[in-house]
Parts: sequence; C-alpha cells; structure tokens
Amino acid sequence: RKEVEQDPGPFNVPEGATVAFNCTYSNSASQSFFWYRQDCRKEPKLLMSVYSSGNEDGRFTAQLNRASQYISLLIRDSKLSDSATYLCVVTPQYSSASKIIFGSGTRLSIRP
Amino acid sequence: SQTIHQWPATLVQPVGSPLSLECTVEGTSNPNLYWYRQAAGRGLQLLFYSVGIGQISSEVPQNLSASRPQDRQFILSSKKLLLSDSGFYLCAWSPLARGGGTEAFFGQGTRLTVV
Repeated sequence: RKEVEQDPGPFNVPEGATVAFNCTYSNSASQSFFWYRQDCRKEPKLLMSVYSSGNEDGRFTAQLNRASQYISLLIRDSKLSDSATYLCVVTPQYSSASKIIFGSGTRLSIRP
Repeated sequence: SQTIHQWPATLVQPVGSPLSLECTVEGTSNPNLYWYRQAAGRGLQLLFYSVGIGQISSEVPQNLSASRPQDRQFILSSKKLLLSDSGFYLCAWSPLARGGGTEAFFGQGTRLTVV
C-alpha cells in the first residue's frame, strides 16, 4: 500500500462550484500534513498546512481526520485560477530526520 | 530570507552520458535536503534525502546517486543515464525541526530529457 494516496482526478467543475479532495495515509504515526499546489511544468508550492483542529484560509479549508487517517481540502467558490494539481504531503516520522512524502496529486480543472 | 537555487533549468543528454545536477540553499543552516523526480503526469517520487553533510538516505534503488559535500549543497549524479531517467527533477529543503516535519520549499526544477 502506498504511504500517501490521492484520487488522481481529473476533477472538472464549473466556476463557482465547491470541490473537495481527500488524501489517505497509511502510517498512523504521521505527524505533519500539508496541501501543495502545482501548476503545469512548475515546482510545487505550499498552499496550506493542515492542523488537527482544521484550518481555513479564505476559500480553502483543510481538515485532518486521524481516526480514519485522511486529510481533506475544500475549495469554495472556485475560480478559473484554481486549476492546478493539488498534492497532499505527509511527514511520517516524529523526528528531525523526517522524510516528506507526496501524494501523486489530484488534477483540478475549473471551466468557465 | 531563504532561497534555493537549482540548475540547469532544462537539460538534454544522450543515453550513457553522465549527469550532475546541483542545488544550493541560502539563508539557513542545517537544512534537510531532498531530491524528487516527477515523471510526466505523475506525482513526486522521493529519491534521496539528507539531514547533514555526507548523510544520504536513498529511497529507491536506481541509476542515481546523491552527495552533500557542504551543508547547503546537494548534488544528484549518474554515471550513465538511461532513457527512463527522463523527468522533472526537484530539489527541496526544509528546516531542521525537532519533533516533527515541516513544509518543504522547492527549487524551480530541472527538466531532463534523455535521448
């Protein structure tokens, strides 16, 4: 089983829609979680961290469910500029020597 | 502020030729350093990570090697490239943080085509 799994999509939704992605992880000892955004042929960039209590940044909401070992990203009122690949990230070890494991990404396409 | 430099941006190399990609970080010390590869339309595969000078952990057995000769320098190498080595190579750093991981910051990547 992969350490981090995501639905690859693509998700094709109209502008203004709400869309949600999930990401599951296999290591229950995982400590830190993030969502990254990657535009075509560019490097990934941090979108937001995922805290145990959940967090919100404008139209974006991230949540963590430790019991079921998944994280989620919700995008409200989607914009054309939200079209990208969204990668979830897990750091599996409680140590200073943490690997950083990426999911394979979920492609999102917003249509006018 | 911290910056990460990765070069070259694009590279076309013949099969069997050697490879050396370099990555340097500025504005921080003792970073964790990472090399990832991304095949076209795929996710990021962790190749190597390093927590200090000379300390390299390999995630996937393959035709590549990594070295960290200085604290903020990370080099990805191959003695003989294969066609399957083509891809988008990304260097990243994260702060050394006891008690758990932190986010990674990426260089702009090297798009390698082996012909």
